[in-house]
Amino acid sequence: DTEVTQTPKHLVMGMTNKKSLKCEQHMGHRAMYWYKQKAKKPPELMFVYSYEKLSINESVPSRFSPECPNSSLLNLHLHALQPEDSALYLCASSRLGGPGANVLTFGAGSRLTVL
Amino acid sequence: AQSVTQLGSHVSVSEGALVLLRCNYSSSVPPYLFWYVQYPNQGLQLLLKYTTGATLVKGINGFEAEFKKSETSFHLTKPSAHMSDAAEYFCAVSLAISNFGNEKLTFGTGTRLTIIP
Repeated sequence: DTEVTQTPKHLVMGMTNKKSLKCEQHMGHRAMYWYKQKAKKPPELMFVYSYEKLSINESVPSRFSPECPNSSLLNLHLHALQPEDSALYLCASSRLGGPGANVLTFGAGSRLTVL
Repeated sequence: AQSVTQLGSHVSVSEGALVLLRCNYSSSVPPYLFWYVQYPNQGLQLLLKYTTGATLVKGINGFEAEFKKSETSFHLTKPSAHMSDAAEYFCAVSLAISNFGNEKLTFGTGTRLTIIP
């Protein structure tokens, strides 16, 4: 199993809604990432969890709230988003240490539209 | 701080022709370099990586890249383009092995490769 699975694939929400994006991997990776990708732009790092603890927060607004319940799951809770938050949200995972470190395995993404 | 510059936001080549996508890096220490490919409406997939050792790196789908320290370059090549190679390609750099999840991967702005039949 070499996949990162993201749900939902598409999400439309209003600015007052609360929703969550989910990510799951079963590769035994101990680092998990959230990236935001706007159209025709590279992915931008939002958060990194290592050993289920938040290790990097790239000054992301508090309306995005990450959660790592266990080593296989990563959530991104969304509340009071703005239309400019519409983007493709990518989850990724990687090993920590050793030759496989720094090699990210990406999910297919969740395309978010904020109305 | 590290960065990568991808020269050419759009590259078009004929089917069967050589593919050359350019990437230059800036780093104060020996970098770790990567090429990722993104097909429409999909996530990113690793093509190849350079960490240490041999400077010519072979990846999937017939792609390869050569790390040239003197030129601070890591250009991606493929001898013969195929229609299925049409995608967005990202060069990326990190400074160290991530042991604790605190090493960032910095992406270039991407190059869209179009294959002309």
